[in-house]
Amino acid sequence: DIQMTQSPASLSASVGETVTITCRASENIYSYLAWYQQKQGKSPQLLVYNTKTLAEGVSSRFSGSGSGTQFSLKINSLQPEDFGSYYCQHHYGTPWTFGGGTKLEIK
Amino acid sequence: QVQLQQPGAELVRPGASVKLSCKASGYTFTRYWMNWVKQRPGQGLEWIGMIDPSDSETHYNQMFKDKATLTVDKSSTTAYMQLSSLTSEDSAVYFCTKGGNYLFYPMDYWGQGTSVTVSS
Repeated sequence: DIQMTQSPASLSASVGETVTITCRASENIYSYLAWYQQKQGKSPQLLVYNTKTLAEGVSSRFSGSGSGTQFSLKINSLQPEDFGSYYCQHHYGTPWTFGGGTKLEIK
Repeated sequence: QVQLQQPGAELVRPGASVKLSCKASGYTFTRYWMNWVKQRPGQGLEWIGMIDPSDSETHYNQMFKDKATLTVDKSSTTAYMQLSSLTSEDSAVYFCTKGGNYLFYPMDYWGQGTSVTVSS
């Protein structure tokens, strides 16, 4: 199975800052990488897929990049609604696997 | 609009089985894969498997091969996941999620999740 390693595990930032979360795959997944946001007590929501395609309704403050085994999610000008947990997931063949998550908290 | 309706909670005894439901609406049920994902309290996400509602083709995570069975009822546009021989390790929230019309498309809609508690 493909292992997904996400960093950092937690991140503290202020409103207005720019943050980057990284995700590494144990083997080549081409561009089949998705990012999800989960708020406390809620179900995850798709943010980005195919590395850099924004899901419907997602703010352009989010951007994804990378290919092969190294990927990142950048969030510009953090807003209060951006705080929560973020997960990467490869969608290149089954079984799909997730990164361990990044908890983004308000500083 | 796409909706995936799941019961809020289930309480089951150790060793028993439970069948979770996911009622889909707002899209053509048979055109898109349906996935199931597990999340233990305070933990990350685990993909359990997926089913094609048009022909019931399934793909399972080997970790859940002997634990979960995915089925659908096309007439009621409902997906089901049966979990067997439950232990405390199975206490978790289980989400159904809509996939794409091809395998390499991620999960674009999620149900609210069913919280399963295994306890005597």
